[in-house]
Amino acid sequence: DAKTTQPPSMDCAEGRAANLPCNHSTISGNEYVYWYRQIHSQGPQYIIHGLKNNETNEMASLIITEDRKSSTLILPHATLRDTAVYYCIVRDTNNAGNMLTFGGGTRLMVKP
Amino acid sequence: NAGVTQTPKFQVLKTGQSMTLQCAQDMNHEYMSWYRQDPGMGLRLIHYSVGAGITDQGEVPNGYNVSRSTTEDFPLRLLSAAPSQTSVYFCASRASGANVLTFGAGSRLTVL
Repeated sequence: DAKTTQPPSMDCAEGRAANLPCNHSTISGNEYVYWYRQIHSQGPQYIIHGLKNNETNEMASLIITEDRKSSTLILPHATLRDTAVYYCIVRDTNNAGNMLTFGGGTRLMVKP
Repeated sequence: NAGVTQTPKFQVLKTGQSMTLQCAQDMNHEYMSWYRQDPGMGLRLIHYSVGAGITDQGEVPNGYNVSRSTTEDFPLRLLSAAPSQTSVYFCASRASGANVLTFGAGSRLTVL
């Protein structure tokens, strides 16, 4: 699986958009980009995933660059409850295993 | 629909004791897995299963055993606990053909 690089921490003001970057320069053509988050002491929670096109759901938007070497997770109106560690994971969806590899992630602090 | 249920939530063991962490899911997911998370770290895969009767090792399998006799249950056994196994353990499952994991709430284990 392609390795991902994320900043270790970020701050965001409550009500503003939080833009979390992820570099995955070695991504291959059949690998998807997944985002999970982990609120303190809880199990990780799936947010969104995409292959090439930008994606949006009720939680967030995912912007993937045209060369697919990086992506940005956008929380449009961050709230205090969005304070969490956000993990960017690249994974081949055709792989039969269950081996999502979680790196260090980005610790997002939403401040009032 | 309870999702993924882990028991116990907290456990303290003495070195050399054995115990089993329980994981059950009611979503008829074929794939189940166990991760451990040490303080300030990401999740590391211990063992996983792609279906009843089939298990395989992950990144850090030593000191742990698993079995998958039913689709619903995937217990993790520590045969002789060591202080290095002090961690938070997460069980996760996903449906066949999907790559989105559903995590349990975690089991916090302390080995003295």
